Amino acid sequence: DADVTQTPRNRITKTGKRIMLECSQTKGHDRMYWYRQDPGLGLRLIYYSFDVKDINKGEISDGYSVSRQAQAKFSLSLESAIPNQTALYFCATSEGGGRAGADTQYFGPGTRLTVL
Amino acid sequence: AQSVTQLDSHVSVSEGTPVLLRCNYSSSYSPSLFWYVQHPNKGLQLLLKYTSAATLVKGINGFEAEFKKSETSFHLTKPSAHMSDAAEYFCVVNPGYSSASKIIFGSGTRLSIRP
Repeated sequence: DADVTQTPRNRITKTGKRIMLECSQTKGHDRMYWYRQDPGLGLRLIYYSFDVKDINKGEISDGYSVSRQAQAKFSLSLESAIPNQTALYFCATSEGGGRAGADTQYFGPGTRLTVL
Repeated sequence: AQSVTQLDSHVSVSEGTPVLLRCNYSSSYSPSLFWYVQHPNKGLQLLLKYTSAATLVKGINGFEAEFKKSETSFHLTKPSAHMSDAAEYFCVVNPGYSSASKIIFGSGTRLSIRP
């Protein structure tokens, strides 16, 4: 079984709809992240959480919100989806500890979201 | 300010020939540097990382990268390309802050392998 899973894998929705993307992990990591990937732009960080009570905005958090329901679960919501939120969304985890910034991230398979 | 630049958006090589994917970074601190690979319809997977230990870093599948502070580069190489190496490769810099908000991904290099 995959260590980091994302549901759904594909979603098509309409402008103005509320959407939730879910991420679960079995790696036992404290840190979880949400990224979006757009062609030619690499990955950009939306939100991250270093533990259940810690939520932080990333580079592009406007229009998004998150919930860390448990150590293993981190959900991303689009309150009112718009077409420029069409992208590939990745969840990632990392163990933390050690030298700041040096921990490896483990990625889920991605969710392809299309907003019409 | 921190930044990372992947100098080639697309690289094409013949099977069995060397691979060079170029990455330059800018960081005010001693950064950690990573290369991730993304195969089609898959998530990203770590190839290798530099975290201030040895400057020549060996990764999985025969890849390696050398951290050159004087050139602010972290180029990825492999002596002999294999068809299975065809994928998108991302150079990532983390300047060493405790905050994850400073993680920066390059725009990616697509590697194609010719038979």
